[in-house]
Amino acid sequence: KQEVTQIPAALSVPEGENLVLNCSFTDSAIYNLQWFRQDPGKGLTSLLLIQSSQREQTSGRLNASLDKSSGRSTLYIAASQPGDSATYLCAVPASGGYQKVTFGTGTKLQVIP
Amino acid sequence: DAGVTQSPTHLIKTRGQQVTLRCSPKSGHDTVSWYQQALGQGPQFIFQYYEEEERQRGNFPDRFSGHQFPNYSSELNVNALLLGDSALYLCASSHHPGTVKNTGELFFGEGSRLTVL
Repeated sequence: KQEVTQIPAALSVPEGENLVLNCSFTDSAIYNLQWFRQDPGKGLTSLLLIQSSQREQTSGRLNASLDKSSGRSTLYIAASQPGDSATYLCAVPASGGYQKVTFGTGTKLQVIP
Repeated sequence: DAGVTQSPTHLIKTRGQQVTLRCSPKSGHDTVSWYQQALGQGPQFIFQYYEEEERQRGNFPDRFSGHQFPNYSSELNVNALLLGDSALYLCASSHHPGTVKNTGELFFGEGSRLTVL
């Protein structure tokens, strides 16, 4: 059974700081890993998708890396802004199905102006 | 290009009642899955629909059932509501894993917030 852990559970940083969010998973036989952002009471917005054959993906100030062998992914946010404040979730599909996805409990990020 | 749309956005029910939630997938997508997200938790997979059939199911009781229509839209039905069913219900869509178009990326709607009193 796939288990996903995100550390830290919460993080508060001053504006402009670079930061790293961590995600670990127990079953390394994954098809991909996806990072999402969730604002309070809202749905999930896809940030980055990394295929199992890739090591990293970048979008603007975001960079996600994937190390399948160690069961880890990191989301790097450069030059954080107050608008980045949200909960960040990582998700991996169970083997055999893309949509039976297992999520971590998320990292709640607060960027202080 | 319309994304995933869900309705209603909020609803309040009492214990024992039944509820139906609706989802329209992103244009071009044919596969829909439903997730339950309790407060402070990550979403939990309920089930997945493709070609109008339930293809995969998570660890949820039979009180949770669904349907997919020929236009790929979907409904989630929950019978005999319990207080513990209070949650944000999220719908996700994608191309089917067996198709060339599929990248594995999931797209989510804004969710339906269900409160059971």
